[in-house]
Amino acid sequence: DAMVIQNPRYQVTQFGKPVTLSCSQTLNHNVMYWYQQKSSQAPKLLFHYYDKDFNNEADTPDNFQSRRPNTSFCFLDIRSPGLGDAAMYLCATSRGQGAMDTEAFFGQGTRLTVV
Amino acid sequence: DAKTTQPPSMDCAEGRAANLPCNHSTISGNEYVYWYRQIHSQGPQYIIHGLKNNETNEMASLIITEDRKSSTLILPHATLRDTAVYYCIVRVASRGADGLTFGKGTHLIIQP
Repeated sequence: DAMVIQNPRYQVTQFGKPVTLSCSQTLNHNVMYWYQQKSSQAPKLLFHYYDKDFNNEADTPDNFQSRRPNTSFCFLDIRSPGLGDAAMYLCATSRGQGAMDTEAFFGQGTRLTVV
Repeated sequence: DAKTTQPPSMDCAEGRAANLPCNHSTISGNEYVYWYRQIHSQGPQYIIHGLKNNETNEMASLIITEDRKSSTLILPHATLRDTAVYYCIVRVASRGADGLTFGKGTHLIIQP
């Protein structure tokens, strides 16, 4: 059974048109993450929520925003997608309990194409 | 987090043990070694982690040298489904909420 669910698996958006990617979890984990993975590269952390506290990575562009309305859901908003934003976007969760937090659970990802 | 070095690619015959090395010569005393893998077009998957003792679970074994400057992930009987990119990550466990910093990993190809 899927524990971190990302919809849709594939998303095509127009250059400059806002797009939202969604993630839900059934694990009741405190922390939810968004990673960006471009072709042939490793995943790169964009930001994460610890409960309702938002933590942005220093080099994440302002074009990327996130919302977490409740424990189960988290959204990635790209305000004005450019061609360089085409990538796989991965959502992940963890318990966030320090030394007890040994494992992150990833969704299958959403592959975003910008045309 | 300490830097890790992994070979970019490796081949292994199906049914054989796959041994994936990782160098982490600057590892600190409170940093753990984690392994994740990413099968093509899927999200990364946790495999195993350890501090200084060797660890084994249903997926793999982790051997950490006594000086902790390197480690080896062992898949005892590799199958075609083990073809993936394997990431070795060193981090302080108490910073588990901060997210993972992935290096380039090793692309393991299991040959039939």
